Amino acid sequence: DIQMTQSPSTLSASVGDRVTITCRASQSISSWLAWYQQKPGKVPKLLIYKASTSESGVPSRFSGSGSGTEFTLTISSLQPDDFATYYCQHYIKYPYSFGQGTKLEIK
Amino acid sequence: QVQLVQSGPEVKKPGASVKVSCKASGYTFTDYNVNWVRQAPGQGLEWMGIINPSHGGTSYAQKFQDRVNMTSDMSTSTLYMELSSLTSEDTAVYYCARCDGDYASYSVTWGQGTLVTVSS
Repeated sequence: DIQMTQSPSTLSASVGDRVTITCRASQSISSWLAWYQQKPGKVPKLLIYKASTSESGVPSRFSGSGSGTEFTLTISSLQPDDFATYYCQHYIKYPYSFGQGTKLEIK
Repeated sequence: QVQLVQSGPEVKKPGASVKVSCKASGYTFTDYNVNWVRQAPGQGLEWMGIINPSHGGTSYAQKFQDRVNMTSDMSTSTLYMELSSLTSEDTAVYYCARCDGDYASYSVTWGQGTLVTVSS
């Protein structure tokens, strides 16, 4: 099975900061990676798929990059609405798996 | 619009089974696979498995292989996830989530979630 590891687990940042979250796969997943945002008590929301393609309606400050085993989610200028938990997930083969999550907190 | 509406919260005793439903609307039911994902309180997302509603083919995470059954009913556009031999560790919110198409098995539309509480 493919293991997904996110870093950091928690990230403290301020409004306006540029932040990057990393996701590493235990083996190559090409570009078959998605990123989700989840706020407390809410349903996860798809942000990015195929490593770098933004879902419709997602603000342009969110971007994804990477291929193979290392991927990043970047928020170019943090907004108050962005403080949430972010998950990566591969979907190259079963079983699909998620990273453990990165909680983005207000500094 | 695409919608997945799940059944209501459940409280079960250890050893029991639970069956969660997920009614789809706004798209052709048989054209898209559906993932099932769960989230224990304060924990991350956990992929449980996937079903092809057209022919009922499934793939399950090894962890659940022996006690999960995912099914679909084309007549009502409803998916079901049944989990047996429940323990307290199965207390979680269970989500159904529709994929985006072939080779696009990420979850683009999610149900609202169903809280399953396992307690004696």
